[in-house]
Amino acid sequence: QVQLVQSGAEVKKPGASVKVSCKASGYIFTGHYMHWVRQAPGQGLEWMGWINPHSDAPTYAQKFHDRVTMTRDTSISTAFMELSRLRSDDTAIYYCAGVVPALNGGYFQHWGQGTLVTVSS
Amino acid sequence: SYVLTQPPSVSGAPGQTARITCGGSNIGIKSVHWYQQKPGQAPVLVVYDNSDRPSGIPERFSGSNSGNTATLTISRVEAGDEADYYCQVWDSSSDLYVFGTGTKVTVL
Repeated sequence: QVQLVQSGAEVKKPGASVKVSCKASGYIFTGHYMHWVRQAPGQGLEWMGWINPHSDAPTYAQKFHDRVTMTRDTSISTAFMELSRLRSDDTAIYYCAGVVPALNGGYFQHWGQGTLVTVSS
Repeated sequence: SYVLTQPPSVSGAPGQTARITCGGSNIGIKSVHWYQQKPGQAPVLVVYDNSDRPSGIPERFSGSNSGNTATLTISRVEAGDEADYYCQVWDSSSDLYVFGTGTKVTVL
């Protein structure tokens, strides 16, 4: 079955960068777009952007466009999300989620288990 | 940017029907998807494309979408349905994905 397995929890200082990985299995990696969604403590879901694993083309939410980089390595079926210039309000659980391409944009069919990133001095 | 508004909370006694609304400008022309999130867990898709259910999701979960409001209906509510629920759409004009503000469902 489809599985998305993310890297472990991270603790970072303000101003640093963090890179979270998401390893996919159970399907053809280039057949799903990989999205990233975050959730601050006690808050709702916030969409950050997505990458087309086939073309390596990312699309970012305006809020993150100057701090986030989404990449992928098809040889190991893994997507990456790097967030730079971290602030305390970046403390959140970061999820990867797979979307099957569709004319209506598709939906988040499969989710990783989440990676807690804590930003603290 | 496109905004989706949900009530912060909805409650109901076991066996009753819970309805969660998701308001957005002309949302009826978009495909709406719904996710259930229990504490400490990743979200789970419960309804996609307005009214379809993934395999394994009980028939008690149903969805509709018209005008400026989409609705997730949970029939015969059970204690295990207690969770946060989020609606989501794709805004084609900006190629951005949007989540609703989330609704906490409490079973009394």
